[in-house]
Amino acid sequence: DQQVKQNSPSLSVQEGRISILNCDYTNSMFDYFLWYKKYPAEGPTFLISISSIKDKNEDGRFTVFLNKSAKHLSLHIVPSQPGDSAVYFCAAHSGNTPLVFGKGTRLSVIA
Amino acid sequence: KAGVTQTPRYLIKTRGQQVTLSCSPISGHRSVSWYQQTPGQGLQFLFEYFSETQRNKGNFPGRFSGRQFSNSRSEMNVSTLELGDSALYLCASSLGGLPHADTQYFGPGTRLTVL
Repeated sequence: DQQVKQNSPSLSVQEGRISILNCDYTNSMFDYFLWYKKYPAEGPTFLISISSIKDKNEDGRFTVFLNKSAKHLSLHIVPSQPGDSAVYFCAAHSGNTPLVFGKGTRLSVIA
Repeated sequence: KAGVTQTPRYLIKTRGQQVTLSCSPISGHRSVSWYQQTPGQGLQFLFEYFSETQRNKGNFPGRFSGRQFSNSRSEMNVSTLELGDSALYLCASSLGGLPHADTQYFGPGTRLTVL
């Protein structure tokens, strides 16, 4: 049973427009959520996180929204840039339990 | 400050063999976690070591094992390799362990191919 789901394997967006990456989870015990970005031949890089006590966290062009009732979070990138093209992983955990990752969404930003 | 390093970067083995992968964390980091990444399953947690002790373990068979040394360097071992073990193995280090997951820094990974 997959506890963290990223239902869109890929997404294409024009440069300058908004990219919205979605993530759903099933475990209501999760209380911390993260997004990682991964380029080919590199390890994932931490991007942004959000605690379950918040519904929004912003860092520059990146904003993460959390809807606890829907068990849904999203990552907004505005404006999208070609350098944002990568695989984005959503991850979640609770307390001292390990991170659970989604399968990733490949974002392509077209110039 | 040097990042997380993993050796070797690429490895080819045959079924039935065993393999040892190495991870050197960022200086001062005491927690090392290992993940397996495959196209079909994404990143899956293998285990985490903190101060030479295994603190968490994922849902993998006993063929997968690890250890951590006093300098925080970690190794993982896979015995009796199977074709399905072909994957990218990622190591991540952090100061305080999984509760501080936003400070996990990943290495570039070791690409293991089992023939």
